[in-house]
Amino acid sequence: QSVLTQPPSVSGAPGQRVTISCTGSSSNIGAGYDVHWYQQLPGTAPKLLIYGNSNRPSGVPDRFSGSKSGTSASLAITGLQAEDEADYYCQAYDSRLSGSAFGGGTKLTVL
Amino acid sequence: QVLLQESGPGLVKPSGTLSLTCAVSGGSISSANWWTWVRQPPGKGLEWIGEIYHSGSTSYNPSLKSRVTISLDKSKNQFSLRLTSVTAADTAVYYCARVGVAAANDYWGQGILVTVSS
Repeated sequence: QSVLTQPPSVSGAPGQRVTISCTGSSSNIGAGYDVHWYQQLPGTAPKLLIYGNSNRPSGVPDRFSGSKSGTSASLAITGLQAEDEADYYCQAYDSRLSGSAFGGGTKLTVL
Repeated sequence: QVLLQESGPGLVKPSGTLSLTCAVSGGSISSANWWTWVRQPPGKGLEWIGEIYHSGSTSYNPSLKSRVTISLDKSKNQFSLRLTSVTAADTAVYYCARVGVAAANDYWGQGILVTVSS
């Protein structure tokens, strides 16, 4: 069972907006630790999508955005495209682990 | 552009030791960064294994701590993972990565599948 909880799956039609939640606790997100998001296309390594809660690395489209509030964080994808179909993971430091924790991952299906 | 490349045996026998190396190019392992290992069992999510700082300080996942060692080889600009007493549950794709801005994993290797089987 993951320290950070994500919905197993979400879906949306092309052009729509979807959000993926990441729920933590007082030992990770709620303690103020940054949340990061990764995109994993089938058969490839994860790719950093959002760092420090809401920052996009160079080259990541502004269709992707992140936010954080309390013990939760969210990834929003607007203008959904077929190429966005992938697994998405959140990550944050956890003080009980004294290390990094990942969410269980969310599979995004573009209908 | 920092590139990371995992290498090592793709098959390890049960009760044996898994040993992997991550070669870093385009950047120095001696820079002020943590370097980390993450694994992903087939069809499952990501699991943090542990990490090492350029100074040699380490941090390990408590669930693996008794079996894991991560080390640096600055002369070869690489870092390594050693996991002892492996079982089928350790079968996974193993990734190495750099912990960069805001402590996010900004550069990843392509991953290497390690199967534990006799």
